[in-house]
Amino acid sequence: DGGITQSPKYLFRKEGQNVTLSCEQNLNHDAMYWYRQDPGQGLRLIYYSQIVNDFQKGDIAEGYSVSREKKESFPLTVTSAQKNPTAFYLCASSAGGGIGEQYFGPGTRLTVT
Amino acid sequence: LAKTTQPISMDSYEGQEVNITCSHNNIATNDYITWYQQFPSQGPRFIIQGYKTKVTNEVASLFIPADRKSSTLSLPRVSLSDTAVYYCLVGDLNTGGFKTIFGAGTRLFVKA
Repeated sequence: DGGITQSPKYLFRKEGQNVTLSCEQNLNHDAMYWYRQDPGQGLRLIYYSQIVNDFQKGDIAEGYSVSREKKESFPLTVTSAQKNPTAFYLCASSAGGGIGEQYFGPGTRLTVT
Repeated sequence: LAKTTQPISMDSYEGQEVNITCSHNNIATNDYITWYQQFPSQGPRFIIQGYKTKVTNEVASLFIPADRKSSTLSLPRVSLSDTAVYYCLVGDLNTGGFKTIFGAGTRLFVKA
């Protein structure tokens, strides 16, 4: 059964700690994306990767870091430098690099206190 | 990148047809129009995509006039489970996926 998995679904951290969100896909997609969604808002792009070992900053990359060592995996680290990290984080992948269908994971809701 | 404008919210009743219109006045020649649906605490789900005229699938229809400056997502006979946020996106099929913009979308409330 192909798809995208994100773990965990809920994550709680203390301020000042780094935290890594997992994203795995078995769709054989080249492109992967990380979005952040705040309550009542649309999605904002944090980072994207079009191929392994390559990634680019999106609109709100400050305080976040990513890696793309494998095609299937695109983990996101929320660092202590991110001033307002509490949000809903969504990972997506797509076969091509355009506006073609993006497949989304179930999301991780991160709460930092 | 073509900017889109859609209503912030809409109300409907079960069994009615719902039409959500999206404006994209500066759509480019190579741009396609794509609609997603998002339920609370879930990732968006692709609904339909089109370039011109009319596209229909098992979930919805997409109407695109000849000038392509707007598009209308049509949901036939909605049910309570269609209550969700609907996003209209415009962009090239082959490049610039990282420029995909999910705005605030249209919040559809379906009442019994």
